[in-house]
Amino acid sequence: QSALTQPASVSGSPGQSITISCTGTSSDVERYNLVSWYQQHPGKVPKLMIYEVTKRPSGVSNRFSGSKSGNTASLTISGLQAEDEADYYCCSYAGSYWVFGGGTKVTVL
Amino acid sequence: EVQLVESGGRLVQPGGSLRLSCAASGFSLSRYSMNWVRQAPGKGLEWVSYISSSSDTIHSADSVMGRFTISRDNAKNSLYLQMNSLRAEDTAVYYCARMDNYGFDYWGQGTLVTVSS
Repeated sequence: QSALTQPASVSGSPGQSITISCTGTSSDVERYNLVSWYQQHPGKVPKLMIYEVTKRPSGVSNRFSGSKSGNTASLTISGLQAEDEADYYCCSYAGSYWVFGGGTKVTVL
Repeated sequence: EVQLVESGGRLVQPGGSLRLSCAASGFSLSRYSMNWVRQAPGKGLEWVSYISSSSDTIHSADSVMGRFTISRDNAKNSLYLQMNSLRAEDTAVYYCARMDNYGFDYWGQGTLVTVSS
């Protein structure tokens, strides 16, 4: 049950696009199309942003999009805004458990 | 409005036990699988345990296997986590989280468990 691998930090200027990677294994990310992404502002509760690799819950901005290739999933934030500054976590189903990534701090320059 | 409210967190000595509760409202608990997810101070999220809507399937992380037990009472709209043989590394905010389409779509505010002598 090893954690998924995410970059510790990603930054971008307002209006730019950034991509956060999430690398797993053949037992989790690659095997299942069940990757989800969460946004967490400091001191706040995590919020579901993407589920089933590419789907957005109702109310989540279409500036957020998800994708997957092999054992790596990605979250792209387009048109970066100040309010997007937060920690982001990926998560994958792995058959009989769920595994999170270590988290990526997104900074808006 | 969907609401999840955790309770039961407190300071406990190593080796001690604790039972967390999560009260659900605004939706039919019996229709959803539920989970516990924890976050150690300043650290990332860690999935702890899963229980299916009818309690027929339970999964737990290796780190808590044999020590923590998840359960639910749909009639009382409640989810529980019995935590035994607590260790310092179990110190964290514990969130209950509803699962839908294999995503954790609603989270409670969390309850802090501190394991220390």
